[in-house]
Amino acid sequence: LAKTTQPISMDSYEGQEVNITCSHNNIATNDYITWYQQFPSQGPRFIIQGYKTKVTNEVASLFIPADRKSSTLSLPRVSLSDTAVYYCLAFYSNYQLIWGAGTKLIIKP
Amino acid sequence: ETGVTQTPRHLVMGMTNKKSLKCEQHLGHNAMYWYKQSAKKPLELMFVYSLEERVENNSVPSRFSPECPNSSHLFLHLHTLQPEDSALYLCASSPPGTSGANVLTFGAGSRLTVL
Repeated sequence: LAKTTQPISMDSYEGQEVNITCSHNNIATNDYITWYQQFPSQGPRFIIQGYKTKVTNEVASLFIPADRKSSTLSLPRVSLSDTAVYYCLAFYSNYQLIWGAGTKLIIKP
Repeated sequence: ETGVTQTPRHLVMGMTNKKSLKCEQHLGHNAMYWYKQSAKKPLELMFVYSLEERVENNSVPSRFSPECPNSSHLFLHLHTLQPEDSALYLCASSPPGTSGANVLTFGAGSRLTVL
């Protein structure tokens, strides 16, 4: 059964590194794992996408182990504006995009 | 502004009403999606259109009826809804390509309340 699982919520402080891990068993072998960020009253916004090992862009890094059964979104030096809900998305088969329930990240001063 | 525009942003309707949600994108994407987002639940994929043909219909009740007249426009027609249909309805689009199918651009959503 395809399922994407992530923690419901996390707290951290400004300037810290935050890591959010998502579990996704049995994902399609040739497709990507994607993370989105959502603020209130907005749709989700693409953050980063990866297939294996490590991907880094200007806002985040994504770590994917060789078995691809999980992935970790890493946000370096978070600020208050990073308070949002973060979603993991895995591709299980043709158009079977399975979303996690979202991790509500709260950044404190 | 993401390039995907949804109207209306808010809609209140009675159970006997008929209304429509509209989505428009001019990003050159060839796939469009309707999602339902309810509190504390994962996003629920409702419909997918690729090249204006419906490719996915996740057992959505017939009181929701999608329409994709062209690759830039997507509608969700609503009739005889139930209060449990109250939710945020999100439209998204994606570019061609397999990996591109994961990179969705979302609109801001239409907040629907059914009385």
